[in-house]
Amino acid sequence: QKEVEQNSGPLSVPEGAIASLNCTYSDRGSQSFFWYRQYSGKSPELIMSIYSNGDKEDGRFTAQLNKASQYVSLLIRDSQPSDSATYLCAVVYSSASKIIFGSGTRLSIRP
Amino acid sequence: GAGVSQSPSNKVTEKGKDVELRCDPISGHTALYWYRQSLGQGLEFLIYFQGNSAPDKSGLPSDRFSAERTGGSVSTLTIQRTQQEDSAVYLCASSSDGYNEQFFGPGTRLTVL
Repeated sequence: QKEVEQNSGPLSVPEGAIASLNCTYSDRGSQSFFWYRQYSGKSPELIMSIYSNGDKEDGRFTAQLNKASQYVSLLIRDSQPSDSATYLCAVVYSSASKIIFGSGTRLSIRP
Repeated sequence: GAGVSQSPSNKVTEKGKDVELRCDPISGHTALYWYRQSLGQGLEFLIYFQGNSAPDKSGLPSDRFSAERTGGSVSTLTIQRTQQEDSAVYLCASSSDGYNEQFFGPGTRLTVL
């Protein structure tokens, strides 16, 4: 089992719809979770961090965390073509005291 | 404030040559990571420095790769006897500690001819 698992996509979503990106992880002791966005040819940039169970909203983005199910997700409301990018899930593994990245989900917003 | 900086931004070298890539982390950040990203692929972890602890070198692909971090700040990634398969973007990221979010530099694009 991969330490941090994401569906590679591509995930195609119509403009204006909700895009849902999912991530599972294997370390039950993990406490810190992040979502990064990476445009083609650019470095990853942090868009959300979440530490507690439940939802965290920031503008059009909502991160959801369920530690019991070892599951973290990112919802993007009112998807725009500019949201087309690869989204990376990252988890701080308490067992290793370091951050582990998933392989990313490629999201495409179609006009 | 200043973010993570990397130099050079682009490096073209010939097969068999050695290269050095530099990373300047955000001031005060104790954690520093190096990653490699080939075209269309995910992040490949290379090495992790955290404070004065021994670095986690578990991701280095061969003994041609090495890295050091001097004075807990600047880091240099060295690739000896470069091969064509080393061609990739090398990314550096820093974090205030091993538990918080990372901030990435712009990367160094390495091309081995």
